[in-house]
Amino acid sequence: DVKVTQSSRYLVKRTGEKVFLECVQDMDHENMFWYRQDPGLGLRLIYFSYDVKMKEKGDIPEGYSVSREKKERFSLILESASTNQTSMYLCASSLFSGEKLFFGSGTQLSVL
Amino acid sequence: GENVEQHPSTLSVQEGDSAVIKCTYSDSASNYFPWYKQELGKGPQLIIDIRSNVGEKKDQRIAVTLNKTAKHFSLHITETQPEDSAVYFCAATNNAGNMLTFGGGTRLMVKP
Repeated sequence: DVKVTQSSRYLVKRTGEKVFLECVQDMDHENMFWYRQDPGLGLRLIYFSYDVKMKEKGDIPEGYSVSREKKERFSLILESASTNQTSMYLCASSLFSGEKLFFGSGTQLSVL
Repeated sequence: GENVEQHPSTLSVQEGDSAVIKCTYSDSASNYFPWYKQELGKGPQLIIDIRSNVGEKKDQRIAVTLNKTAKHFSLHITETQPEDSAVYFCAATNNAGNMLTFGGGTRLMVKP
């Protein structure tokens, strides 16, 4: 089974801090994604990557950046965390571009 | 870009009854429509998907129908069981086929 592992289940940070969310997948998938989940808004795509060192903006990239130095690892970076970035963050990977995504269990980030 | 609307936001049914969740999409070029189930504390998991060249697909108690002309698709769950209780998300690809746009989610509660 594909396993997508997110480094933290819960994270509490202060406004202005730099935050790193890490994600690792073990199935050699080309594509990796970062989504944000908020009640009533579903899952919104922040960034995705289809290859090492490649990245594409999703629907809500403002305030975020990403890094993909190795195929199995995709990091989401909040350069200066703000309270409106309090949310559940979900990482996913897939073999084919926009299909059959495998999700991690999520990181609930609280920015105080 | 693609816009996906999902209804209802909450749905409560008695065990054994059927449940129907409906989604509409805006981009007529979308050609892939998956449904994901998210249980408490877990990431979403793909349960069924359909492509635009197919009108209906079934897998045991779940089925998905697609009306391309009207740009809507639906998830049907028959003989519901308590373990069907979860949040369900529909999604549609963008015209490039490399991004999924998700609906807002439906919280399904199956009462024993």
